[in-house]
Amino acid sequence: KAGVTQTPRYLIKTRGQQVTLSCSPISGHRSVSWYQQTPGQGLQFLFEYFSETQRNKGNFPGRFSGRQFSNSRSEMNVSTLELGDSALYLCASSLVQPQETQYFGPGTRLLVL
Amino acid sequence: EDKVVQSPLSLVVHEGDTVTLNCSYEVTNFRSLLWYKQEKKAPTFLFMLTSSGIEKKSGRLSSILDKKELFSILNITATQTGDSAIYLCAVADNYGQNFVFGPGTRLSVLP
Repeated sequence: KAGVTQTPRYLIKTRGQQVTLSCSPISGHRSVSWYQQTPGQGLQFLFEYFSETQRNKGNFPGRFSGRQFSNSRSEMNVSTLELGDSALYLCASSLVQPQETQYFGPGTRLLVL
Repeated sequence: EDKVVQSPLSLVVHEGDTVTLNCSYEVTNFRSLLWYKQEKKAPTFLFMLTSSGIEKKSGRLSSILDKKELFSILNITATQTGDSAIYLCAVADNYGQNFVFGPGTRLSVLP
């Protein structure tokens, strides 16, 4: 069974630009969660999607948004990028509830210059 | 606000040593506590704990939860250099949608 895949793996953007990251969950998994990981803040929850609906959202500004498609693939978008958005963005999938075993993707490393 | 604290933040041991990593938490309507190992990239799942006092074991790793005292420990016996990683603890609330992660313990196992 293929694992969680994320694209792109690396990305360089400049301040003010916007970016879209993609996540394909494990086949059959319907819950997709997004996390931001930085050296200073650790791993922080962004949001979680299930059946194309955002079920929960972490404490991030509105510049961070996401969506989920009918095949459970998910995208997250960050608009008006800031230097502090440089981070590793991790996606994780689970069958139904995120507190079940979550499987993480390899992450997208975003660098904002 | 939900909070997860891990200690120590960093630990250096030699191969063959036994280590104990600690995770304490404050969360409204606790549902589960999870341990992850993160090497170079994505965290990999180790254990999920929901009940107090029941030890979960996988090879040289074991973990137990104390819901009264609000903490969990992760034990690694006979450590190997391949155990070098960041060990993350996360808790989920009973509403089911949110994880709060601790800062992690960086374990370095020297040959």
